[in-house]
Amino acid sequence: QKEVEQNSGPLSVPEGAIASLNCTYSDRGSQSFFWYRQYSGKSPELIMSIYSNGDKEDGRFTAQLNKASQYVSLLIRDSQPSDSATYLCAVNSGGGADGLTFGKGTHLIIQP
Amino acid sequence: SAVISQKPSRDICQRGTSLTIQCQVDSQVTMMFWYRQQPGQSLTLIATANQGSEATYESGFVIDKFPISRPNLTFSTLTVSNMSPEDSSIYLCSVESPTGDPETQYFGPGTRLLVL
Repeated sequence: QKEVEQNSGPLSVPEGAIASLNCTYSDRGSQSFFWYRQYSGKSPELIMSIYSNGDKEDGRFTAQLNKASQYVSLLIRDSQPSDSATYLCAVNSGGGADGLTFGKGTHLIIQP
Repeated sequence: SAVISQKPSRDICQRGTSLTIQCQVDSQVTMMFWYRQQPGQSLTLIATANQGSEATYESGFVIDKFPISRPNLTFSTLTVSNMSPEDSSIYLCSVESPTGDPETQYFGPGTRLLVL
């Protein structure tokens, strides 16, 4: 059974601070990792993908992957109230174009 | 990314009836996926729809309950058959990226279904 675990939160972070979101996965053979943002009543929006150990930066977002620890994280720098949403960690275990296994998501609240 | 539309955007249905959800994408893609998001929950993959072949269903989902069509590279339908209140969910289609990384998936706006 492939599992993706996230702390459901809510995670409350002051505006301008760094928000740190974490995710662990059970399938050691997982190849690809994704972070999606979902606003209430909306569909998931892709923020980051990461495939190799280490860090990947895109603007205010940094994804970190540690395959040995089966751990993925997302850092949001200079958090803005518009970053308030549920963040979903997703894993592709099969490699190639395959369905994703999602965590339950972390509800992030950025306090002005 | 791809522009994805779904119809209907929402519906209220009576138990025992069926609803067909359409997913249209503006680019040709090989792989399309159908997910369900139950209230307050995360996304669960229902099936993978590859053009020209039968859909592949995940454990717990069967073709008789969720028949899928994939007639061409830009369109797919998911039917929710013989509905019960437990089928009340958001149903989302996603597609592989039409350019670049095929492992990246983009989601449609979803169909919000309420079964009474």
